Amino acid sequence: GAGVSQSPSNKVTEKGKDVELRCDPISGHTALYWYRQSLGQGLEFLIYFQGNSAPDKSGLPSDRFSAERTGGSVSTLTIQRTQQEDSAVYLCASSYRRTGGTDTQYFGPGTRLTVL
Amino acid sequence: AQSVTQLGSHVSVSEGALVLLRCNYSSSVPPYLFWYVQYPNQGLQLLLKYTSAATLVKGINGFEAEFKKSETSFHLTKPSAHMSDAAEYFCAVSDLGGYNKLIFGAGTRLAVHP
Repeated sequence: GAGVSQSPSNKVTEKGKDVELRCDPISGHTALYWYRQSLGQGLEFLIYFQGNSAPDKSGLPSDRFSAERTGGSVSTLTIQRTQQEDSAVYLCASSYRRTGGTDTQYFGPGTRLTVL
Repeated sequence: AQSVTQLGSHVSVSEGALVLLRCNYSSSVPPYLFWYVQYPNQGLQLLLKYTSAATLVKGINGFEAEFKKSETSFHLTKPSAHMSDAAEYFCAVSDLGGYNKLIFGAGTRLAVHP
């Protein structure tokens, strides 16, 4: 079946502009995660959505970052007033939360963001 | 707090040689441990995961890892390296069976030479 998809695959923007990154999780997956992969910081957790529960935003680096998940499916990560340090690959993952078992997070190919 | 340390940011082996990628974790609760592989310009792919069912875990592509609580380690091995194994490998820990965020190590880039 189809995996996690992300768009765009590459985004180049100017400092100070806003950007939106999109993630389409695997159909039926209830959990969705955003991570950031950068040279200096490695792989960092950003935010986690699980069903209708309040999201875990503990990894968002500043209030310029926000994310939403509409209808329990597609998610959008928004970065306002982008800075050069926001340049990174943004990875989305989804999983199916099952009772009594463990989740496997399936990752998308990522969006490479370059802030000039 | 949980953390993961991967010893060796770069490892180079000959084709056919043993692959050993090291991972040590820190966790105050029983951990769930994962190894992911990332090929160039691709996302992460799960190799294997430890879920407390068995300490020796077998994954895809001939990889396996052994959970050693006394050493807080979860090293990844493969008996015979193949050129196609060249990639970056990440060890990760979760405290809630993967129901929660993954904490990743810094990664180890594996090079395989003829």
